[in-house]
Amino acid sequence: AQTVTQSQPEMSVQEAETVTLSCTYDTSESDYYLFWYKQPPSRQMILVIRQEAYKQQNATENRFSVNFQKAAKSFSLKISDSQLGDAAMYFCAYNSGGSNYKLTFGKGTLLTVNP
Amino acid sequence: DSGVTQTPKHLITATGQRVTLRCSPRSGDLSVYWYQQSLDQGLQFLIQYYNGEERAKGNILERFSAQQFPDLHSELNLSSLELGDSALYFCASSVGAVRSGNTIYFGEGSWLTVV
Repeated sequence: AQTVTQSQPEMSVQEAETVTLSCTYDTSESDYYLFWYKQPPSRQMILVIRQEAYKQQNATENRFSVNFQKAAKSFSLKISDSQLGDAAMYFCAYNSGGSNYKLTFGKGTLLTVNP
Repeated sequence: DSGVTQTPKHLITATGQRVTLRCSPRSGDLSVYWYQQSLDQGLQFLIQYYNGEERAKGNILERFSAQQFPDLHSELNLSSLELGDSALYFCASSVGAVRSGNTIYFGEGSWLTVV
């Protein structure tokens, strides 16, 4: 079974600085999708960024980028120029891309942004 | 706003009771998913429907059931409620299978408190 591990329960960063959140996953499949979701205090799950495993290029969305290392099964999220609004719980998620759809989530990393 | 609508937003009920959570997917989305988020279990996939048919089943208890109607809205029925069922229940939707590159979008969740 696929598993997703986020080894950092909590992280903090100074406003305007850069922070990297770690995620590793375990799978025997070659074709899959990876996601980072943000859950602010409002509790809504907001998609931050997605990565297709068949793409070698790392995904980027404005200040958010990933470092996807397929061989190492690593998928870290880098947040540049951190803003107070980035404070949230961040979840890494995996999907195998099969005919059924199941997102497997990590336990999450709570990010605090200090002014 | 993800476009996924869930009602009710908050619900308090007693043990042994039955509740129904409702979800309207984004316009055009055929797949609906239900997830449970609790403090001890994290985010758990419960069940997926695609165009009215059950597509995948996760860690859903026998006391729980779901369905997707012809207008594509979905309901999650929770019966014989126990204290441990207290959680945030998310509905999510996507156009179709992830192989076509679709992303899953989450609603704001329904807070269920069992007392």
